[in-house]
Amino acid sequence: TQLLEQSPQFLSIQEGENLTVYCNSSSVFSSLQWYRQEPGEGPVLLVTVVTGGEVKKLKRLTFQFGDARKDSSLHITAAQPGDTGLYLCAARSSGTYKYIFGTGTRLKVLA
Amino acid sequence: EAGVTQFPSHSVIEKGQTVTLRCDPISGHDNLYWYRRVMGKEIKFLLHFVKESKQDESGMPNNRFLAERTGGTYSTLKVQPAELEDSGVYFCASSQQGGYGYTFGSGTRLTVV
Repeated sequence: TQLLEQSPQFLSIQEGENLTVYCNSSSVFSSLQWYRQEPGEGPVLLVTVVTGGEVKKLKRLTFQFGDARKDSSLHITAAQPGDTGLYLCAARSSGTYKYIFGTGTRLKVLA
Repeated sequence: EAGVTQFPSHSVIEKGQTVTLRCDPISGHDNLYWYRRVMGKEIKFLLHFVKESKQDESGMPNNRFLAERTGGTYSTLKVQPAELEDSGVYFCASSQQGGYGYTFGSGTRLTVV
């Protein structure tokens, strides 16, 4: 069974701090997505990465896909209270369109 | 553009009853997916439609679950009869291209008592 482990599970930081969330697996994936989810809402897609080593930036968020396409990281610079939420990674293998979701990282940014 | 719409947003039913969840995808999105999260677990894939055809239903837990997509537009997911372990949040997502650009709905929270 393929698993996506995210770390840390919970993170509480002060506004302005930097943080990194990790998404790890022993499997190779053809693409990986990061989502943010808020209470009572569905996950909102932030980014999709498909190439090993790929780095994408979305304002203060930097996403990296591992060289071997088994892991990914999400780095947030100067976190804001609006960044608070549940961050999910999701990955799919070649030959399928279904995604496996990670265990999630719950981030709280304190003002 | 309107997003993915799911209803009801909440449903509380008794064990043994039937419940039907509905999903309206973004207009023009041929790909429609159902996922669910049961308490304390990760979001898990249920099935994938391309237009009206089931492309992959490997995640459907058992034959109490029936999904349809009439005319390739909206989709329904029926649970009959519902069991306690079916409680959770059921999400629908749609995309133009298979496997990319998912847009999720807000989900239906199903509680079986």
